[in-house]
Amino acid sequence: NAGVTQTPKFQVLKTGQSMTLQCAQDMNHEYMSWYRQDPGMGLRLIHYSVGAGITDQGEVPNGYNVSRSTTEDFPLRLLSAAPSQTSVYFCASREGAYSYNEQFFGPGTRLTVL
Amino acid sequence: TQLLEQSPQFLSIQEGENLTVYCNSSSVFSSLQWYRQEPGEGPVLLVTVVTGGEVKKLKRLTFQFGDARKDSSLHITAAQPGDTGLYLCAGARSGNTPLVFGKGTRLSVIA
Repeated sequence: NAGVTQTPKFQVLKTGQSMTLQCAQDMNHEYMSWYRQDPGMGLRLIHYSVGAGITDQGEVPNGYNVSRSTTEDFPLRLLSAAPSQTSVYFCASREGAYSYNEQFFGPGTRLTVL
Repeated sequence: TQLLEQSPQFLSIQEGENLTVYCNSSSVFSSLQWYRQEPGEGPVLLVTVVTGGEVKKLKRLTFQFGDARKDSSLHITAAQPGDTGLYLCAGARSGNTPLVFGKGTRLSVIA
């Protein structure tokens, strides 16, 4: 199993550009989520999904869109990038909705917005 | 408002020393998890605690969940350079709510 994969690993954008961060998992997990990690801020939840066709907002959803058309994929879209979105983005998945289940993280995408 | 407060924020110790890091909240959590993150990688789960007063051991690491389920601690005995990393606690207010993370404790163990 590849686990949770993320692409790209690094990305530089100009202000106002759009892009999609890809996330895929091959563990048949129902629950997937996106976090951003900034220095001294820990991990903050952006959006999450409890299954295909179902998404919900986390703590910091503004400026980001998600969709979940399949169990495997959970892309994160930046519609108009801003310097404040410079961060490291992590995708995670876990089996079922219960929070005590192990959450598996991808290797991250380091995004810089100029 | 940070639901989970971790302390200390930074810790630098010599190999062989013992240390404890803390994760505190004013809220009750149904479960708490500890993750370790190394540079350039995603966090990896170390342990999950779900019962107040629970103690779990993982080799030289001892995890405790407070009786009131509002706090947790991680104790490392005889730290080694391989223990270096960012330690994150994460909790959920109820069984199916998203995890919230603390800001982490960055540990450096010097040989």
